[in-house]
Amino acid sequence: DQQVKQNSPSLSVQEGRISILNCDYTNSMFDYFLWYKKYPAEGPTFLISISSIKDKNEDGRFTVFLNKSAKHLSLHIVPSQPGDSAVYFCAASLKAGNMLTFGGGTRLMVKP
Amino acid sequence: NAGVTQTPKFRVLKTGQSMTLLCAQDMNHEYMYWYRQDPGMGLRLIHYSVGEGTTAKGEVPDGYNVSRLKKQNFLLGLESAAPSQTSVYFCASRNQPGTGYSYEQYFGPGTRLTVT
Repeated sequence: DQQVKQNSPSLSVQEGRISILNCDYTNSMFDYFLWYKKYPAEGPTFLISISSIKDKNEDGRFTVFLNKSAKHLSLHIVPSQPGDSAVYFCAASLKAGNMLTFGGGTRLMVKP
Repeated sequence: NAGVTQTPKFRVLKTGQSMTLLCAQDMNHEYMYWYRQDPGMGLRLIHYSVGEGTTAKGEVPDGYNVSRLKKQNFLLGLESAAPSQTSVYFCASRNQPGTGYSYEQYFGPGTRLTVT
């Protein structure tokens, strides 16, 4: 039973528009959430994170929103650029946890 | 700093053969992890270590063994490879929790393993 789910395997957006990637989780004990970006033939790289005490965190073009009551988080990329084309993974951790639980990933394609 | 490095980058094994994947990190991180990535399954944790000489099972540990004899190295072994172990394997490391607790893990470039 996957505790972290990314229900959209792929997403295609036009350059300059907003990309919204979604992630749902089932474990209410998750306390911290991260987004990773992965290019082909490379390892995942950390993008942005959010603690459960917040509902929004922003870093440049990237914003993560957390809705704890819905057990849902989303990553917004504005404006989207072709270089953003990659696979995006959301991950979750328990408070002071040693491990991350990852979603299945969403492949984002930004068309010029 | 090289960060997290993995050896080898590619490998093809026959069913029943054994091999060891090496992960090395130069960030003095306490925690190290081995994941496998399969299409649609995301990253699944195989084993991890919270310090030199320690190991613990993750979500999918069967068929794999690990060792952490040195702080900077984390080895993943396949004693008798099976086609189901065809995957991309990623190693990661993380700082020991402390002031300004960070959950961020740093990943290596991956090892693509095919078992025929």
